[in-house]
Amino acid sequence: GIQVEQSPPDLILQEGANSTLRCNFSDSVNNLQWFHQNPWGQLINLFYIPSGTKQNGRLSATTVATERYSLLYISSSQTTDSGVYFCAAMGSGSNDYKLSFGAGTTVTVRA
Amino acid sequence: AAGVIQSPRHLIKEKRETATLKCYPIPRHDTVYWYQQGPGQDPQFLISFYEKMQSDKGSIPDRFSAQQFSDYHSELNMSSLELGDSALYFCASSPRAGDGSPLHFGNGTRLTVT
Repeated sequence: GIQVEQSPPDLILQEGANSTLRCNFSDSVNNLQWFHQNPWGQLINLFYIPSGTKQNGRLSATTVATERYSLLYISSSQTTDSGVYFCAAMGSGSNDYKLSFGAGTTVTVRA
Repeated sequence: AAGVIQSPRHLIKEKRETATLKCYPIPRHDTVYWYQQGPGQDPQFLISFYEKMQSDKGSIPDRFSAQQFSDYHSELNMSSLELGDSALYFCASSPRAGDGSPLHFGNGTRLTVT
């Protein structure tokens, strides 16, 4: 199946700072999603972005499908942005019918 | 908007017991996925169903079984529970399997095996 790698594994930010999280994937995709897992364990869907650029408030994401990577941008970070960010992809091959997750980036925003 | 409903939210079982987790997908979603997330791990795919038939299978132990019913809800049955089965179990649904539709995740069931 498709391999998903995220970097960096950990990120410590001062409140108000900007950051970029990266997701590389090993094959062409027909689905790519970014999630934020909060301290209660809920997986909050941030973006469905198999290609292109999207923005939602202080968050934005870009997927360059031809180069097999996606970026998640956090601007003016707040302490509530803390948590684990997961990238997950579904390959466009005929036998791939599931999302495969990366190992996640743990973000800590300090006041 | 309706979301994926999982029950129970929390479950405590003893070793060698059996557990049943339930998942109610978003209306008109006919594909259901199950994931297991151990402490400090990323979610791992277990199994999926499309139109009540198994469509894909991951590293699901033989002690686990799952099915999708005529109303599209799904149940994950776990027998002979082990301490290592303690994890967060997510169910997700999508309109169709394999076409790249976004997956919508439930809030998970936290299973603790003592």
